[in-house]
Order: sequence, then structure tokens, then C-alpha cells
Amino acid sequence: DQQVKQNSPSLSVQEGRISILNCDYTNSMFDYFLWYKKYPAEGPTFLISISSIKDKNEDGRFTVFLNKSAKHLSLHIVPSQPGDSAVYFCAAKATSYDKVIFGPGTSLSVIP
Amino acid sequence: DTAVSQTPKYLVTQMGNDKSIKCEQNLGHDTMYWYKQDSKKFLKIMFSYNNKELIINETVPNRFSPKSPDKAHLNLHINSLELGDSAVYFCASSQIHGYTFGSGTRLTVV
Repeated sequence: DQQVKQNSPSLSVQEGRISILNCDYTNSMFDYFLWYKKYPAEGPTFLISISSIKDKNEDGRFTVFLNKSAKHLSLHIVPSQPGDSAVYFCAAKATSYDKVIFGPGTSLSVIP
Repeated sequence: DTAVSQTPKYLVTQMGNDKSIKCEQNLGHDTMYWYKQDSKKFLKIMFSYNNKELIINETVPNRFSPKSPDKAHLNLHINSLELGDSAVYFCASSQIHGYTFGSGTRLTVV
């Protein structure tokens, strides 16, 4: 019973182009969403987050969009750089319950 | 000065053995977690402790026993290891939103 889904296991993008990573969730109690980035043999590191009261949050090259009615969020990286190549995890939590649920991850390859 | 450190990084052991993984955070966070990343790469929560108190205990076999001697430490002890316990185990800590993860412990049971 996956509450957080990332339907694309992998994505390849040319350097300089936009990377769009998608995430869907099923639990309407989720009110906070996070993206984590993970390199091999390292722990996930926090990238960007968004509260359900917003529909967009931007931090440098990274922007997260939230569509609550569709229960969908996306992470945009522009321009993509080779150092962005990693696995990206979408995660969600309900403030009333301190448990973050992770999606299965999308492996992004940025080709020079 | 790693924020969340866990040891060992790699652990290879035989079925039936008992092993421990240690985790320490120097961020002053109140809450610590253990997550398991299985062969399908899913990150699943196992336990959560807030200020040394158990908050979340997912459906984890009772062979897994977390211990929190103080709020900066959360250790994971596993009894009678089984092949299916092979995974990468991540410790994490948080204050409000967002986690800081350790680099993981790759456990291989042979």
C-alpha cells in the first residue's frame, strides 16, 4: 500500500535542460512534502520542502510545485547539472503524526 | 563533525547472530529514527524516539530492539539475524520538519 508514489524509476536529462521529477500521494492527511537527494553510499539529504498551504516553493535551481486537488507534486531542476545525478526521494507527512513516508525514488542522470 | 553518525558502515554476519548498530546525533534534535531501505530501495520507518521515549513502532519483528540511552543516541539491536534482514539501515534525527540522515549501515546476513 504505497501512499507515496514515484512512477518513474529513472530519468535521463541533458545538461542545461530542465529535469522534472513527479510524485503522487494518496493520503489526504498529508500536509507537508519534502524532496531528498541521495548519492550512492550516502544517506539522503534534504533538498526542498513545501507546506500544503502553498502551491510553489523555490530555492535556487530547485522548485517544487504542489497540486493538492490532484494529490501531485513535482520537482523542477533548471538548469540541470551533472552533479545533480542522484536518486531523488519524494516524501510526505501529516503534521498530526510524526512519520515521514517516502516514495521509492527516481534515479536522475544528467548527461554532460 | 558529522551531524548524524552511525557505526559500523558495513556489517557482514551469519544467520542466527546478534548484532548492534549505533547512532549518534550532535544536532540537539529531540527525535531520532531508524529506517530500513530494502532490496527494492523503499525507505521504511521502523522506530521513532522522542527524547528517549518510543513514539513509533512499526510492524517490525520483536527481534529488533531500539535503545535510546539519551536523546543524542539511538542504537538498534537485532537478535537471531535472518537472511531477510539484509538491507541498508539509516538512522535520522529531526526537530520539526525534515530529517537529517546518517550515511547508512549496510547489513549483509549470510
